[in-house]
Amino acid sequence: DVKVTQSSRYLVKRTGEKVFLECVQDMDHENMFWYRQDPGLGLRLIYFSYDVKMKEKGDIPEGYSVSREKKERFSLILESASTNQTSMYLCASNGQRSNQPQHFGDGTRLSIL
Amino acid sequence: GENVEQHPSTLSVQEGDSAVIKCTYSDSASNYFPWYKQELGKGPQLIIDIRSNVGEKKDQRIAVTLNKTAKHFSLHITETQPEDSAVYFCAFRGGGADGLTFGKGTHLIIQP
Repeated sequence: DVKVTQSSRYLVKRTGEKVFLECVQDMDHENMFWYRQDPGLGLRLIYFSYDVKMKEKGDIPEGYSVSREKKERFSLILESASTNQTSMYLCASNGQRSNQPQHFGDGTRLSIL
Repeated sequence: GENVEQHPSTLSVQEGDSAVIKCTYSDSASNYFPWYKQELGKGPQLIIDIRSNVGEKKDQRIAVTLNKTAKHFSLHITETQPEDSAVYFCAFRGGGADGLTFGKGTHLIIQP
């Protein structure tokens, strides 16, 4: 079974802090993704990565950055957290072959006070 | 930009009845259409997907139909059970990118 693990289930941080959300997958997948999920808005793509050290902007990249130093790990970074970044963050991964399904972690619920 | 409309936002059905959720998408180059189920406190789990060269796919009580001309696809759940209660998301992948575009979700409630 594919396992996508997000390091924290719940996280509380303060406005202006630098925040790191970590995601690890164990299936040697090339592609990794970060989404945020908000009530009434569904899931929206923040950033994705096709390979180590590669990154691509999704639909809502503003206020975020990412890091992919190793194939299995994809980090989402909030450089200076703001209250409107309070949300559920979901990481996903899939293989590089066309139309491989994405597998999700259980999410990190982040609150910015 | 690309978007997908999902209806209804909430659906309540009697246990044993069928449930149907519909999505309409905008990108005619879309070629992959997955459906995800999300239970409370968990991430979305893929339950069924369909590719653009197929009109229908079935897996036990779950089926998905795709009408590429009309740009819509639907999830059908028959003989619903209490464990089917969850939020369901449709999604599609556009012609060029690997990221998915999601609908806003349908909260399915199975009444005993």
